Amino acid sequence: DAGITQSPRHKVTETGTPVTLRCHQTENHRYMYWYRQDPGHGLRLIHYSYGVKDTDKGEVSDGYSVSRSKTEDFLLTLESATSSQTSVYFCAISRSAIGETQYFGPGTRLLVL
Amino acid sequence: GIQVEQSPPDLILQEGANSTLRCNFSDSVNNLQWFHQNPWGQLINLFYIPSGTKQNGRLSATTVATERYSLLYISSSQTTDSGVYFCAAALTSGGSYIPTFGRGTSLIVHP
Repeated sequence: DAGITQSPRHKVTETGTPVTLRCHQTENHRYMYWYRQDPGHGLRLIHYSYGVKDTDKGEVSDGYSVSRSKTEDFLLTLESATSSQTSVYFCAISRSAIGETQYFGPGTRLLVL
Repeated sequence: GIQVEQSPPDLILQEGANSTLRCNFSDSVNNLQWFHQNPWGQLINLFYIPSGTKQNGRLSATTVATERYSLLYISSSQTTDSGVYFCAAALTSGGSYIPTFGRGTSLIVHP
């Protein structure tokens, strides 16, 4: 299994508070991704990174920011959490965008009250 | 963006049966993957298959890019095959990569 960890694994927070989720990989893969999974929507890409300090928006980026200061870490920040951001968040990695499959982390369950 | 539709949405099988899951996509793609999400929520990659056919044990996949569909075959199903199967399609260009996932096929295999 690819070495991907996410922290925290579970979090309950209140509307309006900032939240940061961390993804850590030990595979030295170039690409890292943040998805959210909601019933009826499958997985939707929030942001992705194609290198240190290189990030781009995905399908549902509003309300989220990311940072990647090291190859192994990709942070997802909810500046001011809302109830609509209650979801399961998955991090994924891949060597490249073409020709390589993605490997997913275990997920983080976030509940915004 | 690319639209991805999976069928059937739900599938119930007896152990030992075979099944075919379908993924249709609306536009040209150069990145097509199949994933299995087990009942504990873990997502596991099955195939990277933008075109052609691949096999891995009891699972195989075929993508006909010109006709914009991919098929996942499960033979001699086992209870451990239960879960949700997703396909994800993308047209990557210049490093840009925004995959679209289908809503999945939920598979239950009864002993």
